[in-house]
Amino acid sequence: AQTVTQSQPEMSVQEAETVTLSCTYDTSENNYYLFWYKQPPSRQMILVIRQEAYKQQNATENRFSVNFQKAAKSFSLKISDSQLGDTAMYFCAFMNPPNFGNEKLTFGTGTRLTIIP
Amino acid sequence: DAGVIQSPRHEVTEMGQEVTLRCKPISGHNSLFWYRQTMMRGLELLIYFNNNVPIDDSGMPEDRFSAKMPNASFSTLKIQPSEPRDSAVYFCASTTGGGQPQHFGDGTRLSIL
Repeated sequence: AQTVTQSQPEMSVQEAETVTLSCTYDTSENNYYLFWYKQPPSRQMILVIRQEAYKQQNATENRFSVNFQKAAKSFSLKISDSQLGDTAMYFCAFMNPPNFGNEKLTFGTGTRLTIIP
Repeated sequence: DAGVIQSPRHEVTEMGQEVTLRCKPISGHNSLFWYRQTMMRGLELLIYFNNNVPIDDSGMPEDRFSAKMPNASFSTLKIQPSEPRDSAVYFCASTTGGGQPQHFGDGTRLSIL
């Protein structure tokens, strides 16, 4: 079974700084998908970024980017120019490819990120 | 476009009562997921439907839990009888599949007294 590990339960950084959240996963599949979701205190689950494992290029969405290291099974999230609104729980998630027959998300335990004014 | 709609947003009830959670997926999405979030176990899949058919229900805790998807625009998760350990936030999510992201509803916070 796939597993996702987030080794940083909590992090805090000053506003405008850059922060990196780590995530590792375990799978025997070659093609799969990885996601970062953000859960602010409002408890909504908001998609931050998506990465396809067969793409070498790291995904980027504005201030959010990933460092995807397939061989190391590592998928870290970098937040640049952090803002107060980035304060939230961040979950890393793994999804099997469609031909696996099950597209459920397997989540890590989350990292609670606090941006300090 | 409307996102995934869940109701109720909050539910407080006494142990032994029947609880029904509802979900309307995004129109055109053919996969629907129910997840449960607790402090102890984090986010875990309860059941997954594809084209209204249950594909994976291995996460359903026990016979007290049941889920249905009678049509493409509606799903229910029922707990009968409810127990205090069922207290959690229950999320519904939908997607078009093919590796596309899942879109989540706002969740139902369930408290069983």
